[in-house]
Amino acid sequence: RKEVEQDPGPFNVPEGATVAFNCTYSNSASQSFFWYRQDCRKEPKLLMSVYSSGNEDGRFTAQLNRASQYISLLIRDSKLSDSATYLCAVNGPYQLIWGAGTKLIIKP
Amino acid sequence: GAGVSQSPSNKVTEKGKDVELRCDPISGHTALYWYRQRLGQGLEFLIYFQGNSAPDKSGLPSDRFSAERTGESVSTLTIQRTQQEDSAVYLCASSFISSGYEQYFGPGTRLTVT
Repeated sequence: RKEVEQDPGPFNVPEGATVAFNCTYSNSASQSFFWYRQDCRKEPKLLMSVYSSGNEDGRFTAQLNRASQYISLLIRDSKLSDSATYLCAVNGPYQLIWGAGTKLIIKP
Repeated sequence: GAGVSQSPSNKVTEKGKDVELRCDPISGHTALYWYRQRLGQGLEFLIYFQGNSAPDKSGLPSDRFSAERTGESVSTLTIQRTQQEDSAVYLCASSFISSGYEQYFGPGTRLTVT
């Protein structure tokens, strides 16, 4: 089992819809969790940190489920500009462990 | 403030030549990481520097790859005798401390080996 797993997608979603995807992790001792966004041929950019209580930033909501060892990202009222690959990252002993990413395509 | 910078942005080289890639981390960031990303693939960890500690080289794919970092500043990734399978984007990231702190990425160097 990989340390951090994501559904590669692609998720094809109509504009304005709500979409959610998860990221599972294997190390129950992990304490820090992040969502990054990577546009085509660009570097990953930090989207949100994921806190124990969950956090929201505009249309984006991130949550942590420690019992089932996954984090989630919810995007409401999706825009064409949300099309990207979403990477999750979970702390390991000395560095972040990365998922392979979920590709999201928003269609008009 | 200034983010992570990398140079060159693009590099085309002939098979068998050596290449050197440069990364300037965010000022004050003690941890620096190199990743490789092949087209359509995820991030592949290469090497990690934390302050003055010995680097974690566990991700380097072969002895043709090496990296150095001067103190808590610039890092260079060197690939000797390049092969076509080395073609990829090489990303550098830095963070304030290592594990548990978010990483910030540079724009990457796109390496093409012909």
